[in-house]
Amino acid sequence: QKEVEQNSGPLSVPEGAIASLNCTYSDRGSQSFFWYRQYSGKSPELIMFIYSNGDKEDGRFTAQLNKASQYVSLLIRDSQPSDSATYLCVPRNASPNTGNQFYFGTGTSLTVIP
Amino acid sequence: DVKVTQSSRYLVKRTGEKVFLECVQDMDHENMFWYRQDPGLGLRLIYFSYDVKMKEKGDIPEGYSVSREKKERFSLILESASTNQTSMYLCASSTQGFGFSPLHFGNGTRLTVT
Repeated sequence: QKEVEQNSGPLSVPEGAIASLNCTYSDRGSQSFFWYRQYSGKSPELIMFIYSNGDKEDGRFTAQLNKASQYVSLLIRDSQPSDSATYLCVPRNASPNTGNQFYFGTGTSLTVIP
Repeated sequence: DVKVTQSSRYLVKRTGEKVFLECVQDMDHENMFWYRQDPGLGLRLIYFSYDVKMKEKGDIPEGYSVSREKKERFSLILESASTNQTSMYLCASSTQGFGFSPLHFGNGTRLTVT
């Protein structure tokens, strides 16, 4: 079983629509969850993080976490062409016996169509 | 803002050469990481370090070594470069942060081995 599962996409949405990106993870000891955006040929940049169950909003972005279901999602409202990128869901388990584990999947490729 | 600087953006080396990739961070982070990223495979951890002179193998350490003589600097060494080490290499750092600190990435080094 992969530690992080994301739909690889590509996910295509029209400009102005809501993009919904989903992620499941296998390590129940994960304490924090980070969303990174990565443009082609560039390094990942942090856009959101969430630690507690529920929703967290930051501008056009909303992260949702359900630890019981081991599920994280990212909603992008009013999608723009500049949002076209690969989105990485990254759980972290920093318990002393895990050695600073950040888990990476292959990410979801999002294309926003003008 | 945290700054993680990788010494080269693009590098071309010949098979059998010894290659050094340098990474410096300016935020006094305890943890430093080296990843490689290949299409369809996501980010894979090569080595990480949680303190000066300390290192831990990641998922794919074969053919690589690392050095951390100072807290701010983490070097990745390809002992004898091979064509299958052609990849994007990403350095990252984080604090211990009790699991709540994200990874901060450098701009990446695209290495081509011919």
